[in-house]
Amino acid sequence: QVQLQESGPGLVKPSETLSLTCNVSGGSIDTYYWSWIRQPPGKGLEWIGYIYYSDNTKYNPSLKSRVTISLDMSKNQFSLRLNSVTAADTAVYYCARLRRDYGDYIDYWGQGTLVTVSS
Amino acid sequence: QSVLTQPPSVSEAPRQRVTISCSGSSSNIGNNAVNWYQQLPRKAPTLLIYYDDLLPSGVSDRFSGSKSGTSASLAISGLQSEDEADYYCAAWDDSLNGYVFGTGTKVTVL
Repeated sequence: QVQLQESGPGLVKPSETLSLTCNVSGGSIDTYYWSWIRQPPGKGLEWIGYIYYSDNTKYNPSLKSRVTISLDMSKNQFSLRLNSVTAADTAVYYCARLRRDYGDYIDYWGQGTLVTVSS
Repeated sequence: QSVLTQPPSVSEAPRQRVTISCSGSSSNIGNNAVNWYQQLPRKAPTLLIYYDDLLPSGVSDRFSGSKSGTSASLAISGLQSEDEADYYCAAWDDSLNGYVFGTGTKVTVL
């Protein structure tokens, strides 16, 4: 059973960088696509991007200029960096496994971590 | 701004059937598989339907998915109180070159 667990600061100051890590257990990270999704309080889901095998990345066009997703195979982890954050980036951030076989779908999600952007 | 449109809410009595619509375009639903996710209150979403109408292992067969053209639907039969949740459709969008979610629908069991 694959399990994902997000970790990182729960509070980030405006204009600074949001950094989160997702630890993957129960499966190897070098075989699938790995995604970040976020959900502002009381709102819907927004896909941030994915990474596959270290250097194959794709990002939401609305966030592309500020986002970097990276992967550390030695630790079975992947990470999210979002630069120049504002209050609009306050959200629950989920890491997830993206399958790209029968279409594109997310079969495993982390529990989510709330990140608040505030001074 | 989501490119997949869902009704904000639907409600029905226990044991009845509800249907949730998801309207898109030729660049997403019209050309790619649709998925549905259930998000129980204060929980992470879980996969409910993939590849338009396939149920993951462990998902009740009271849930079913369908697609026609640029629209998709999720049906819940034999509605139960435990089905109260938010439901999201999703698909890959070829124009945006990214994964898009629907606006979400809150299901209330009366």
